[in-house]
Amino acid sequence: EAQVTQNPRYLITVTGKKLTVTCSQNMNHEYMSWYRQDPGLGLRQIYYSMNVEVTDKGDVPEGYKVSRKEKRNFPLILESPSPNQTSLYFCASSLSPGPYNEQFFGPGTRLTVL
Amino acid sequence: SQQGEEDPQALSIQEGENATMNCSYKTSINNLQWYRQNSGRGLVHLILIRSNEREKHSGRLRVTLDTSKKSSSLLITASRAADTASYFCATALYNNAGNMLTFGGGTRLMVKP
Repeated sequence: EAQVTQNPRYLITVTGKKLTVTCSQNMNHEYMSWYRQDPGLGLRQIYYSMNVEVTDKGDVPEGYKVSRKEKRNFPLILESPSPNQTSLYFCASSLSPGPYNEQFFGPGTRLTVL
Repeated sequence: SQQGEEDPQALSIQEGENATMNCSYKTSINNLQWYRQNSGRGLVHLILIRSNEREKHSGRLRVTLDTSKKSSSLLITASRAADTASYFCATALYNNAGNMLTFGGGTRLMVKP
């Protein structure tokens, strides 16, 4: 089944403890991206990747890192999480190297930073 | 800042009625996409309209795009209780600054049976 998977789905952590949220797609998509969703603010793009080893900042990249060593994986890294990073995170992918086609979204990761 | 702004923020209708949601944006776009999100879940793509298109249909969905007014509308005809969800527009930009997809704040639609 064609899908985007994220892990973990739920995570409660403490300030400063490094964490990684994994994202994987099995559709051979070029474009992958991370969003955070907060009440009243909609979805905001954190980072995106046009292809392997090509990543760029989105609207709200501060406090996050990403890597794209393989086409299928696009992990989101929080080196030193803070409470303002408590949010619902979505990974998405699309076929073309840009947001010109439909995005396929993962199920979301609900992160709480205490 | 948000590129797309949906209007209204919330909409409550009876089953069988039509639901219209509007989206306004600020800059030139490559395409505009509409997504649906059931509570707390991932977004599902509904329809994509390119900047050189004016209207598009998919089942009970009708999307219009007016690039001169920088606005789009999503019409859901003969609504069903299962259409209850949040609906987001997203604009895709293609320029030297990058290739981003920017979402609006969404419209929460409730369809009462």
